[in-house]
Amino acid sequence: DAGITQSPRHKVTETGTPVTLRCHQTENHRYMYWYRQDPGHGLRLIHYSYGVKDTDKGEVSDGYSVSRSKTEDFLLTLESATSSQTSVYFCAISESGTGTTDTQYFGPGTRLTVL
Amino acid sequence: QKEVEQNSGPLSVPEGAIASLNCTYSDRGSQSFFWYRQYSGKSPELIMSIYSNGDKEDGRFTAQLNKASQYVSLLIRDSQPSDSATYLCAVNHFGNEKLTFGTGTRLTIIP
Repeated sequence: DAGITQSPRHKVTETGTPVTLRCHQTENHRYMYWYRQDPGHGLRLIHYSYGVKDTDKGEVSDGYSVSRSKTEDFLLTLESATSSQTSVYFCAISESGTGTTDTQYFGPGTRLTVL
Repeated sequence: QKEVEQNSGPLSVPEGAIASLNCTYSDRGSQSFFWYRQYSGKSPELIMSIYSNGDKEDGRFTAQLNKASQYVSLLIRDSQPSDSATYLCAVNHFGNEKLTFGTGTRLTIIP
């Protein structure tokens, strides 16, 4: 298994509170991604990073921010959580990111419930 | 039109039979194609990747790619109950750092 951990694994929070999810990798891969997975929508990209301090938006980035101060850590922050952000969040890593001969490996996921 | 489409299923297949999973994509510039398996409550894990037209075999799994018709399929031979899962198709455009996923097909193998 790729060395990817996510914390916390489960979280219940209230509407309006800030939440930070952490993804940690031991593979020294350049690219890191945050997805959310919801029934009927599949995996949707929130944000991704192509290096330390280099990030870009995905298709569902509104309400989320990210930071990457070290190669191994990628943080996802919900500034003010809403019930629509209740979801399962997956982190993924990729060595080169181009996808031509590379692929993404997923962490175990974080189940977030916003009440 | 969704960029990557899969039949959501559920697809039920008897144990020992061949399971056939299909995926179509809309971007003709797509170059890389991946099949992931996801058990309930778990994270996606890579099964196969394919980049050229034709078939690619790995054990009981065969991926088939037809770029002219814009579809990619996954065949599972000698289906086992442990193959029961949701299968996700993912597509990448050359040089793009992002994968686009289909919504997945739920497969159930009936003993």
